[in-house]
Amino acid sequence: AQSVTQPDIHITVSEGASLELRCNYSYGATPYLFWYVQSPGQGLQLLLKYFSGDTLVQGIKGFEAEFKRSQSSFNLRKPSVHWSDAAEYFCAVAPDNYGQNFVFGPGTRLSVLP
Amino acid sequence: ETGVTQTPRHLVMGMTNKKSLKCEQHLGHNAMYWYKQSAKKPLELMFVYNFKEQTENNSVPSRFSPECPNSSHLFLHLHTLQPEDSALYLCASSQEWGAQPQHFGDGTRLSIL
Repeated sequence: AQSVTQPDIHITVSEGASLELRCNYSYGATPYLFWYVQSPGQGLQLLLKYFSGDTLVQGIKGFEAEFKRSQSSFNLRKPSVHWSDAAEYFCAVAPDNYGQNFVFGPGTRLSVLP
Repeated sequence: ETGVTQTPRHLVMGMTNKKSLKCEQHLGHNAMYWYKQSAKKPLELMFVYNFKEQTENNSVPSRFSPECPNSSHLFLHLHTLQPEDSALYLCASSQEWGAQPQHFGDGTRLSIL
């Protein structure tokens, strides 16, 4: 069965600093990979997804993620963080076939210092 | 606006009450999901409906009863809940069940007295 780990429970960065959130997965084949963001009091919003092709994926709000097969990783990055980026970030994995469920990571909470 | 609407946004109920959570999507999706999000715990998938048929029930207690009358609507009927059921309940939908992005509602914050 697939699994997802997000090693960092909580990260604090200063506004304007760069950001990298880590995601590692365990799955026999290449899965479909997603990053979601959850602002306080709201549901999860899809930031970006990787299905195949270019391993560097661009998403909304200036985020990007890079799929590295050799490291089983799908880390999320942003070159300059804004205060409004403070939220919970979830990595998710889905097998490459239909009729299977997503597996969500435990989440990383991002705090942004002014 | 994600296209998935959940009502109510907040619900406080006693352990003997009966209430229902509602989820509605007009995205033309065929799969709908209920998740439970508790503090300091990963998202827990509760139920999956694909083309109105329940395809997944992750050992959810019978005090939670889902209903999917059509592909656009999903309900979660609640009765005799326990304090540990207090959580954020999220509804999601996707084009089909599986490797598709899921679109989430803003959730219902449920508090059990």
